[in-house]
Amino acid sequence: NAGVTQTPKFQVLKTGQSMTLQCAQDMNHEYMSWYRQDPGMGLRLIHYSVGAGITDQGEVPNGYNVSRSTTEDFPLRLLSAAPSQTSVYFCASSYASGTGDTQYFGPGTRLTVL
Amino acid sequence: KQEVTQIPAALSVPEGENLVLNCSFTDSAIYNLQWFRQDPGKGLTSLLLIQSSQREQTSGRLNASLDKSSGRSTLYIAASQPGDSATYLCAANRGYALNFGKGTSLLVTP
Repeated sequence: NAGVTQTPKFQVLKTGQSMTLQCAQDMNHEYMSWYRQDPGMGLRLIHYSVGAGITDQGEVPNGYNVSRSTTEDFPLRLLSAAPSQTSVYFCASSYASGTGDTQYFGPGTRLTVL
Repeated sequence: KQEVTQIPAALSVPEGENLVLNCSFTDSAIYNLQWFRQDPGKGLTSLLLIQSSQREQTSGRLNASLDKSSGRSTLYIAASQPGDSATYLCAANRGYALNFGKGTSLLVTP
């Protein structure tokens, strides 16, 4: 199993540009989520999904969109990038939500918005 | 809102020492508590997961304990090695989200 994969590893955007961060898992996990990690702030939940077709907002959802058309993929979209979105983004997955399963994290995408 | 605090923020020890990392959380209504390791520029690696009904979990030189009633967890590392140098994060699981502490940065010197 490849586990949780994320692309790209690094990205530089200009303010106002859009892009999609890709996340995929091959473990047949129902639950997937996106976190951002900022110095001094720790990791914070952006959006999550409990299964295909079902998504919900986390702690810091503004400026981000998600969709879940398949069990394997959970892309994160930035519609109009802002410097405040400069961060490291991690995707995570687990077998199910609501039961407290172990969550597995991808390697991260380091995003810089100029 | 769940607040998770890790003490100390940084720790430097000589190789071979036993050490304890602390994690506290404000809301005891959690499913489990998970400890992660993060190396610089890398993702998170799960070390141990303690379910809310458990008191401790062990993996090799690592032992994690959980006291839900007092809102505390500890990660004990025995006979530390330079390869243990990393940032250690604890996260309280409420089912749909992990609430993370800011981590303890550990340096083990030869």
